[in-house]
Amino acid sequence: DVKVTQSSRYLVKRTGEKVFLECVQDMDHENMFWYRQDPGLGLRLIYFSYDVKMKEKGDIPEGYSVSREKKERFSLILESASTNQTSMYLCASSLLAGGQLKDTQYFGPGTRLTVL
Amino acid sequence: GIQVEQSPPDLILQEGANSTLRCNFSDSVNNLQWFHQNPWGQLINLFYIPSGTKQNGRLSATTVATERYSLLYISSSQTTDSGVYFCAVYGSGNTGKLIFGQGTTLQVKP
Repeated sequence: DVKVTQSSRYLVKRTGEKVFLECVQDMDHENMFWYRQDPGLGLRLIYFSYDVKMKEKGDIPEGYSVSREKKERFSLILESASTNQTSMYLCASSLLAGGQLKDTQYFGPGTRLTVL
Repeated sequence: GIQVEQSPPDLILQEGANSTLRCNFSDSVNNLQWFHQNPWGQLINLFYIPSGTKQNGRLSATTVATERYSLLYISSSQTTDSGVYFCAVYGSGNTGKLIFGQGTTLQVKP
């Protein structure tokens, strides 16, 4: 079975802090994604990566950056956390290589981040 | 861009009942997934079904791509089926971005 894990289920941070959310997948997937989920807005793509050290902006990249130094790990970074970044963050991965991204996506358990 | 609409938005069932959830999409797609989000927030893959019919236990799904809809059937529902059901399709281009419907919230009562 595909396993996608996220470093924390719940996280509370203060405004202005630098926040790291980690995601690890164990199935040698090429592609990894970060979404946030908010009531009434559904799931929105923040960033994705189709290869090590590659990253692409999704729909709402502002205020976020990402890092993919190893194939299995994709980190989401909030450079200076703000209250409007309080949300559920979901990581996903999928298999297809060669820059092809349309394949079954598998999601991690999510991190509920609260910024005070 | 592609629009994804799900119906009904909310559904309450008695345990043991059957139900059908619908997903309409506004343009041709060649990738469609159904997910179940449990009360703890985990999105669980149910089906990857760009076309045709698949079954997995009490769940089955049918996608009619030419008519731009997909159906998720839940038979003999159990309380553990409660949660939100999403369908999602890929947008145009090769961004890998899944476009989600707004979901159907299912509550199964004992």
